[in-house]
Amino acid sequence: DVKVTQSSRYLVKRTGEKVFLECVQDMDHENMFWYRQDPGLGLRLIYFSYDVKMKEKGDIPEGYSVSREKKERFSLILESASTNQTSMYLCASSPLAGTGKQPQHFGDGTRLSIL
Amino acid sequence: SQQGEEDPQALSIQEGENATMNCSYKTSINNLQWYRQNSGRGLVHLILIRSNEREKHSGRLRVTLDTSKKSSSLLITASRAADTASYFCATDAWSSASKIIFGSGTRLSIRP
Repeated sequence: DVKVTQSSRYLVKRTGEKVFLECVQDMDHENMFWYRQDPGLGLRLIYFSYDVKMKEKGDIPEGYSVSREKKERFSLILESASTNQTSMYLCASSPLAGTGKQPQHFGDGTRLSIL
Repeated sequence: SQQGEEDPQALSIQEGENATMNCSYKTSINNLQWYRQNSGRGLVHLILIRSNEREKHSGRLRVTLDTSKKSSSLLITASRAADTASYFCATDAWSSASKIIFGSGTRLSIRP
């Protein structure tokens, strides 16, 4: 079974702090994704990566950056946390798409509160 | 940019009844996926249906796809308490080989 592990289930940080959210997958997947989930808005893609050191902006990249130095690990960075970044953050991975999109496998999420 | 919209937003039914959720989308797709999310957890992939398929089954799940109406439905038969969750449809994006776009979900509650 594919396992996607997010480093923290709950995290509380202060405004202006630099925040790191870590995600590790164990299935050698090429693609990794970071989403945020807010009530009534569904999942919104922040960034994704299709290979080591490669990244693409999603729909809401402002205020975030990412790092993928190793294939199994994808980090989301909040450069200077703000209260409007309080949210549930979900990491996912999937194999290379091929002829059709592949299902994504999700971690259990990090509920981040910025005070 | 939201592609899929689920309907209804919330659904409450008696255990044993069937639950039907609908998803409408705006642009042409290669495939459509359904996911389930239990409270406080990540999403779990349920089923994928390709644009050239009209119906697909997996256990108690039945998914239909009507590309002419740009809509899909997820039917859960003989519902159980464990089916209580949020259900999301997700469609692929032509602009990217791997990116998919999620709708805002249907919250399903199963009453004992």
